[in-house]
Amino acid sequence: QKEVEQNSGPLSVPEGAIASLNCTYSDRGSQSFFWYRQYSGKSPELIMSIYSNGDKEDGRFTAQLNKASQYVSLLIRDSQPSDSATYLCAVNIQGGGNKLTFGTGTQLKVEL
Amino acid sequence: GAGVSQTPSNKVTEKGKYVELRCDPISGHTALYWYRQSLGQGPEFLIYFQGTGAADDSGLPNDRFFAVRPEGSVSTLKIQRTERGDSAVYLCASSRFQGTPLHFGNGTRLTVT
Repeated sequence: QKEVEQNSGPLSVPEGAIASLNCTYSDRGSQSFFWYRQYSGKSPELIMSIYSNGDKEDGRFTAQLNKASQYVSLLIRDSQPSDSATYLCAVNIQGGGNKLTFGTGTQLKVEL
Repeated sequence: GAGVSQTPSNKVTEKGKYVELRCDPISGHTALYWYRQSLGQGPEFLIYFQGTGAADDSGLPNDRFFAVRPEGSVSTLKIQRTERGDSAVYLCASSRFQGTPLHFGNGTRLTVT
């Protein structure tokens, strides 16, 4: 089992819709969770961090964490074509020191 | 302030050659990380520095890979006897303290022919 798992996609949503991106992780003791956005040919860019159970909202983005289910998600409201990118879930695995372990990413396509 | 700077942006080398990749972190960031990313994959951890010392080098694939950060700022990733399988984008990231979010540079695309 991979430590951080994401569906590779592509996930296609129409402009204006809600995009829902999901991530599961294997280590129950993990404490810190991050979502990065990566445009093709560019480096990852941090968009959200979440540390406790529940929802965290920032503009059109909402991160959701459920530690009991070992599940973290990212919702993007009012999706725009400029949101088309690969979204990487990253987890600070307990016992992994301070390094982040990344999933393979989910490709999101927002269609006009 | 300026972000994480990586040089060169692209490097093409022949199999068997030695390469050095440089990373200049955000000023004041004490933690520095090297990752490697292949096409269609997420970044893969290589090594992490806290200050001058390598706090975790468990991701280095073999002894051909080595990294230094002698003054606690700029870091160099060194790859000896390069192989075609080393071709990837090498990403450097820094963070203010241990456990805070990582900020990535633009990466160095290494191609071994």
